[in-house]
Amino acid sequence: NAGVTQTPKFQVLKTGQSMTLQCAQDMNHEYMSWYRQDPGMGLRLIHYSVGAGITDQGEVPNGYNVSRSTTEDFPLRLLSAAPSQTSVYFCASSYRGVPNEKLFFGSGTQLSVL
Amino acid sequence: AQSVAQPEDQVNVAEGNPLTVKCTYSVSGNPYLFWYVQYPNRGLQFLLKYITGDNLVKGSYGFEAEFNKSQTSFHLKKPSALVSDSALYFCAVRDPMDSSYKLIFGSGTRLLVRP
Repeated sequence: NAGVTQTPKFQVLKTGQSMTLQCAQDMNHEYMSWYRQDPGMGLRLIHYSVGAGITDQGEVPNGYNVSRSTTEDFPLRLLSAAPSQTSVYFCASSYRGVPNEKLFFGSGTQLSVL
Repeated sequence: AQSVAQPEDQVNVAEGNPLTVKCTYSVSGNPYLFWYVQYPNRGLQFLLKYITGDNLVKGSYGFEAEFNKSQTSFHLKKPSALVSDSALYFCAVRDPMDSSYKLIFGSGTRLLVRP
């Protein structure tokens, strides 16, 4: 079972560049989300989706876009990278409509913006 | 506002000794509480959760957690620590009325188990 797959694992960008972080899950989960992890701050929700065609903002959405054209994929786009977006990004999924369900996490993407 | 506090940045314990990783929360209503573990260069892995019922919850790898409503705490425990338990531990809370299913994470506690 692949679970939640994130690519790339590492990325270095220059300020102003754009890129897309990929996330795919093979568990038929309707709920998918993106978090960023910063030292001493835990994880913070960027965007989430409760199903194909439906997305919404989390706590820290500025500078990021998402789309959900299929159940399996939930890419995160950085429109114009800034040093403040240097972080570790995690994609996570779970069954929709069941708030007591656990999240399944990908292995993360470490992003550095110079 | 909902929040989770993990007051210790690091917990050091000798192998074979009991361990406790502390977590307190602030949320209205009856929250759902979770513990996750993160090993180096890996994503977070689910350990256990409290939804309702028995205040002592048992989870993976011999871990358990005790829910205390009056103290708004959900401390993670293990009777006998292993060196392989060394990792970063996160407490998280979810408001069951929040349609985003957002998890609010604590800042994490690094557990170091020495041989």
